[in-house]
Amino acid sequence: DGGITQSPKYLFRKEGQNVTLSCEQNLNHDAMYWYRQDPGQGLRLIYYSQIVNDFQKGDIAEGYSVSREKKESFPLTVTSAQKNPTAFYLCASSILAGDYEQYFGPGTRLTVT
Amino acid sequence: EDQVTQSPEALRLQEGESSSLNCSYTVSGLRGLFWYRQDPGKGPEFLFTLYSAGEEKEKERLKATLTKKESFLHITAPKPEDSATYLCAANTGNQFYFGTGTSLTVIP
Repeated sequence: DGGITQSPKYLFRKEGQNVTLSCEQNLNHDAMYWYRQDPGQGLRLIYYSQIVNDFQKGDIAEGYSVSREKKESFPLTVTSAQKNPTAFYLCASSILAGDYEQYFGPGTRLTVT
Repeated sequence: EDQVTQSPEALRLQEGESSSLNCSYTVSGLRGLFWYRQDPGKGPEFLFTLYSAGEEKEKERLKATLTKKESFLHITAPKPEDSATYLCAANTGNQFYFGTGTSLTVIP
């Protein structure tokens, strides 16, 4: 089955610690995205990548970092510089960047205390 | 400012009671209007893409339509399993703008 996997489903960290969220896809999609979802707000774009070894900042990139060393993988690191890291994080992919539908993973709920 | 507004925020329907969800958009150069379904604690599931005014798409009890200013998701004779949050997003080629969603509850 083709799809997007995110792990873990739930993640708990202490304030001041960096944490990395995993995102893997086997859809052979070129473009991958990271969004953050908070109650009462629409999805907000953190980073996106159109091809391997390339990525661009989204609207709320501060305090986050990414890498795209393989087509299938797009991990997101939430650093200690992110002021409000507790949120539901969603990874998505599309065949190409642009006006193509995005397919989402199941999400990771990060809680930082 | 590019933005997408969905209404109502929440909708409760009796099973079989048809209704519509609204997605109003103000973006520069719409390239596509996307609808997603999201169940609690899960990622959004793609439903439809509409590219031009007048276009309609259907899937089971759902039908999406598009005008130059808004999109509607019509739900005909809904069932309890249709309960979810429905998200719309406008794409300008460079970016997706997501609405905050309509939370639909269908009561048996």
